[in-house]
Amino acid sequence: DAGVIQSPRHEVTEMGQEVTLRCKPISGHNSLFWYRQTMMRGLELLIYFNNNVPIDDSGMPEDRFSAKMPNASFSTLKIQPSEPRDSAVYFCASSLVGSLSNEQFFGPGTRLTVL
Amino acid sequence: AQSVAQPEDQVNVAEGNPLTVKCTYSVSGNPYLFWYVQYPNRGLQFLLKYITGDNLVKGSYGFEAEFNKSQTSFHLKKPSALVSDSALYFCAVRAHSYDKVIFGPGTSLSVIP
Repeated sequence: DAGVIQSPRHEVTEMGQEVTLRCKPISGHNSLFWYRQTMMRGLELLIYFNNNVPIDDSGMPEDRFSAKMPNASFSTLKIQPSEPRDSAVYFCASSLVGSLSNEQFFGPGTRLTVL
Repeated sequence: AQSVAQPEDQVNVAEGNPLTVKCTYSVSGNPYLFWYVQYPNRGLQFLLKYITGDNLVKGSYGFEAEFNKSQTSFHLKKPSALVSDSALYFCAVRAHSYDKVIFGPGTSLSVIP
């Protein structure tokens, strides 16, 4: 298995631009998580999906952030418009909830820089 | 509410010495407990977990952790540290009845040659 795949790995954009981050979870996993990691705030859960349905989006910082999961093999996190304070590493993770083997598997992350 | 504390931001240990990275948690009911490691410019990697049963859990790369219910702790240990163990370590907790995993703030481990 290729593991969790994220694209792009690096993104540099200018303030005000739209940014879309992509994630392909591990095949067969039924939960998907988006995290943001910064030096100041550590690892923050933004939103998670179970069976493609958003369950908890309380960590989404504001309306500029949105996430979708149109099917079991794909999810996007969109920031529109982007701001310099959105600069961070964004991780996607997936897991098989409902079984004892429910550890999360993380992708390599997308390093976002907003100028 | 669930929470995880890692009281040490930084742990330094000499190569070959035993290491301990501390974690305490708060959760309603019985917990699932996890340790993850993050190497520079990488995503988090699962190390080990406690679900039920034996309080001493063994995981990847020679790491182990001991679940202590009375102290609500789940400290990560390794008998002999390697320089390659230098990384950021995260403890995480999940209640049995809830999907959401809560991660601690992380502890940076430096193993000095």
